[in-house]
Amino acid sequence: EAGVVQSPRYKIIEKKQPVAFWCNPISGHNTLYWYLQNLGQGPELLIRYENEEAVDDSQLPKDRFSAERLKGVDSTLKIQPAELGDSAVYLCASSLDQYNEQFFGPGTRLTVL
Amino acid sequence: GENVEQHPSTLSVQEGDSAVIKCTYSDSASNYFPWYKQELGKRPQLIIDIRSNVGEKKDQRIAVTLNKTAKHFSLHITETQPEDSAVYFCAVLYNFNKFYFGSGTKLNVKP
Repeated sequence: EAGVVQSPRYKIIEKKQPVAFWCNPISGHNTLYWYLQNLGQGPELLIRYENEEAVDDSQLPKDRFSAERLKGVDSTLKIQPAELGDSAVYLCASSLDQYNEQFFGPGTRLTVL
Repeated sequence: GENVEQHPSTLSVQEGDSAVIKCTYSDSASNYFPWYKQELGKRPQLIIDIRSNVGEKKDQRIAVTLNKTAKHFSLHITETQPEDSAVYFCAVLYNFNKFYFGSGTKLNVKP
């Protein structure tokens, strides 16, 4: 069975440019998470979906970040415009529900110049 | 996350010794406490978890203990091996809804 798939794996952009990340969760997993991870720190939750509903987006900087999970499967996370401080690894994870193991994707390493 | 404190930030042990990492949390309504291991350049992977209805769980050399009264839980690794070297993160599910990770502990097992 394929794990969580993310693309791209790496992205380098100029500041003020838009960027989008894509995630395909494990089949059958209702819960999908987007995290931001800075070097040497723990993952920080940006948004959590239960099927297609965003049930926790309290830590998503909504002035520049947006996310969607159409049809409750794949998800995209967008930043527009990107800032220097957005440089980080963006991790997607999925689980059967919030009380079960989260399976992480390989992440997208974003560098904003 | 600000609601989860993890200590120590770094831990160095000799191969064969035990390692203990502790996390404290603030919300008594928390009910799910997983531990993740992240090797350099790789994704976090679950190694063990515990729910609020039990006080201890073991899986071979790894155990987690939970003290709900004191609001802390700990990861115990016995007979450490060099391949245990990694960053370990605790996490807490608050109030059935919000998920927070600790800041991580870098474990170095010296051969």
